[in-house]
Amino acid sequence: GQQVKQSSPSLTVQEGGISILNCDYENDMFDYFAWYKKYPDNSPTLLISVRSNVDKREDGRLTVFLNKSGKHFSLHITASQPEDTAVYLCAAGENQGGSAKLIFGEGTKLTVSS
Amino acid sequence: EAAVTQSPRSKVAVTGGKVTLSCHQTNNHDYMYWYRQDTGHGLRLIHYSYVADSTEKGDIPDGYKASRPSQENFSLILELASLSQTAVYFCASSDPGGGTGQLYFGEGSKLTVL
Repeated sequence: GQQVKQSSPSLTVQEGGISILNCDYENDMFDYFAWYKKYPDNSPTLLISVRSNVDKREDGRLTVFLNKSGKHFSLHITASQPEDTAVYLCAAGENQGGSAKLIFGEGTKLTVSS
Repeated sequence: EAAVTQSPRSKVAVTGGKVTLSCHQTNNHDYMYWYRQDTGHGLRLIHYSYVADSTEKGDIPDGYKASRPSQENFSLILELASLSQTAVYFCASSDPGGGTGQLYFGEGSKLTVL
């Protein structure tokens, strides 16, 4: 089965609004959680990540919330801008010796409309 | 000055033919990975390696082989290409010492099997 799942294949948000992207996972052993951003015909790039010892991490307009009991994490993008339009991939894994063997979700296509 | 480069960037192959995708990194990272991207599936791990001359199976290794002749180079080999292997393939590297889990991706190789 899908170990990491993004239930929403697409999301549209008005410019200036808050984009909320969700991700669910199955493996209790996962201790590393990340969000990658991907533009069409480009490679994914890391946006933000958290480890299991925190339940929230902020970086500018980005905030990751981690709910370990619910096996859920989310990415909030405040003041959404048209350049935020992209596919967002969540990923999770066990950081075994730093191998970063990540399991990715299917991706959510975010469209920020002006 | 891309740190992870893939070749070829695009290839058309015939069913039953042999395909080799190559990846070169200048990050001095020990870990390298091959993922494939399909619509609706996000990124799925095919093979990975944490040291030269050694490879490990990922989540979908069937139909693929991998080769890591040096720290810098990691190849993905399709001995008998099939229609179902049409996809975009991404190579990535990571640094276990950093413990960040961040993957650095190449530009992707688009493979079409006819």
